[in-house]
Amino acid sequence: GAGVSQTPSNKVTEKGKYVELRCDPISGHTALYWYRQSLGQGPEFLIYFQGTGAADDSGLPNDRFFAVRPEGSVSTLKIQRTERGDSAVYLCASSLYGGFGANVLTFGAGSRLTVL
Amino acid sequence: AQKITQTQPGMFVQEKEAVTLDCTYDTSDQSYGLFWYKQPSSGEMIFLIYQGSYDEQNATEGRYSLNFQKARKSANLVISASQLGDSAMYFCAMRDAGNQFYFGTGTSLTVIP
Repeated sequence: GAGVSQTPSNKVTEKGKYVELRCDPISGHTALYWYRQSLGQGPEFLIYFQGTGAADDSGLPNDRFFAVRPEGSVSTLKIQRTERGDSAVYLCASSLYGGFGANVLTFGAGSRLTVL
Repeated sequence: AQKITQTQPGMFVQEKEAVTLDCTYDTSDQSYGLFWYKQPSSGEMIFLIYQGSYDEQNATEGRYSLNFQKARKSANLVISASQLGDSAMYFCAMRDAGNQFYFGTGTSLTVIP
């Protein structure tokens, strides 16, 4: 697609429920990133995919969080047993692979998760 | 250790004046990239400007310029001729040699008419 698409844009759930957040990156972008942004804060790194594999998942806060990218394009962030502290905007971004040049991150509009 | 430091939580500037937003970074990589993003109240993250670690000249993009001082590890954003639409959060970011991106805590800029 022309841009990074994230669905849903808003998700309200109850504590303890399971949620999935989807990201469809720019076509041809091999790198995909998930960030979490709380109000008034900068994006906090969660996980980075290069192709189908997670190149770095060190930002996932605990084992309730999991992300997949089975075909190297669309990615799903999965949160089990949600807690109120998980409430945030979850941002997805994609870029062309390569550590050289202006390998710009292009962000989606985010998925706002509210856990009641 | 914090990779990106933005020490100005909030800044004010008069319309049509220039403003500098500070950013310092920490890395031992030789090859890295520095970025600035704008986040208006709508929430979207908008790429503004990029500086590569090997670029000798400061990057410029229209009214945006990046004051890159490698020895000091600083990458300040300069916005000239501020406009009301420049009011937003501004984030400095660094891409390391492993293609990982780190963001600062942001600076909230308010342009006063």
